[in-house]
Parts: sequence; C-alpha cells; structure tokens
Amino acid sequence: DAGVTQSPTHLIKTRGQQVTLRCSPKSGHDTVSWYQQALGQGPQFIFQYYEEEERQRGNFPDRFSGHQFPNYSSELNVNALLLGDSALYLCASSFSIYEQYFGPGTRLTVT
Amino acid sequence: GENVEQHPSTLSVQEGDSAVIKCTYSDSASNYFPWYKQELGKRPQLIIDIRSNVGEKKDQRIAVTLNKTAKHFSLHITETQPEDSAVYFCAALNSNYQLIWGAGTKLIIKP
Repeated sequence: DAGVTQSPTHLIKTRGQQVTLRCSPKSGHDTVSWYQQALGQGPQFIFQYYEEEERQRGNFPDRFSGHQFPNYSSELNVNALLLGDSALYLCASSFSIYEQYFGPGTRLTVT
Repeated sequence: GENVEQHPSTLSVQEGDSAVIKCTYSDSASNYFPWYKQELGKRPQLIIDIRSNVGEKKDQRIAVTLNKTAKHFSLHITETQPEDSAVYFCAALNSNYQLIWGAGTKLIIKP
C-alpha cells in the first residue's frame, strides 16, 4: 500500500509564473490538506479538500487555489509567483480530519 | 488569533535520559492534539496523538499528556536514543478543523 505521494520533488520557477503541484493520498483516505513550510518553521495550513470541495482555508491569498478529483487526488496551484513563495509544500491525507499523514513534499524555488 | 506555543525551541539531553516538550494552545474548543517528528529533509511523521476525552496516552517510549483546563499538552520521551534526534512539532485542531502548529523543538541526543 503506497503512502502519500507528491510530484514533482523539486521545482524551480521564475517570479510571475504559475505552478501546479500534485498529491495522491494514502489508500482509504478521502481528505487532503496542503501546507507550506518555510525553512526552520512549522507547516502553515493552506487549505483542505473533502468531497472535491475546499472545506477550510488558512490565511493565504487567492493566488493559491486547489482542486480535488473524484479519486481523491489533489492539485495545488499558485499563480503570479513571488520570491516569498519559495518553500516546501506538503500535502497530508487523512480519513476525516484526524491522523494526517504527510507526503515527501515538493521543494519550490522561485527566482 | 489562535496559536500554539511550544517550548523549548532547542532541547539537548544525554542519551538514555528523558525529554519533555511542552505546548500551550489558545482555542478552548480544540479537541485533537497530534505530535509530529521531522528529520532533516524528510516529511513530518505522526508519532502520537491524543483527543480531549483522554488525559494521557502512551506508546512504548513515547507518551503525551493533556490538561484541558490549563490548555496545555506535553510530549514525554523516555530512554532517549540517537535516532530520536529530530525536530518535534505539536499541533492543535481548532474549532474550524484546522491544524495549528507550534514552532518546533529541535531535540539533540548527546552520546
């Protein structure tokens, strides 16, 4: 049974560009949460998807958007990239809201 | 706003000794408190969690205690080993079902 997977592993983008990150949840999980983790800090909640809808959202601008597909996989899109968007983006899956299990993350560098 | 305070930021203990990390939360409606271990360059790993209807939970060398009245919870690691070296994060699920994270504790196990 595969755990949570994310792609790509690393990504380098230029300011102003757009990026899409992908996440496949652990088998049996129906909820996907996305986090941004800056170096040396704890994860910051971006949003959570359940039944293909955004259920909760943290304090992130509308440049951050997402989607969940019928197979529970999810995408995170970031438009008009800023240097400050450089971070590790983590996806976590769960069945309901408890016991979130994390993927390996996507390291995004904006130059 | 809602926050989770975590102390200490760095903890150095002799191998074999115990380590205690403490967290305080602000949202009195919080009812779920997970602890994550993150090794350098790796994903956060759920190591133990506790719900508000329980005061203490133990799993081998790891235990978590919860005091809802005082709004604080702690992680206890006994008989520490070199592989326990990592950054540990506490988190609390707030009334909006968002996980609010502490800033992390870097645990160093001295041989």
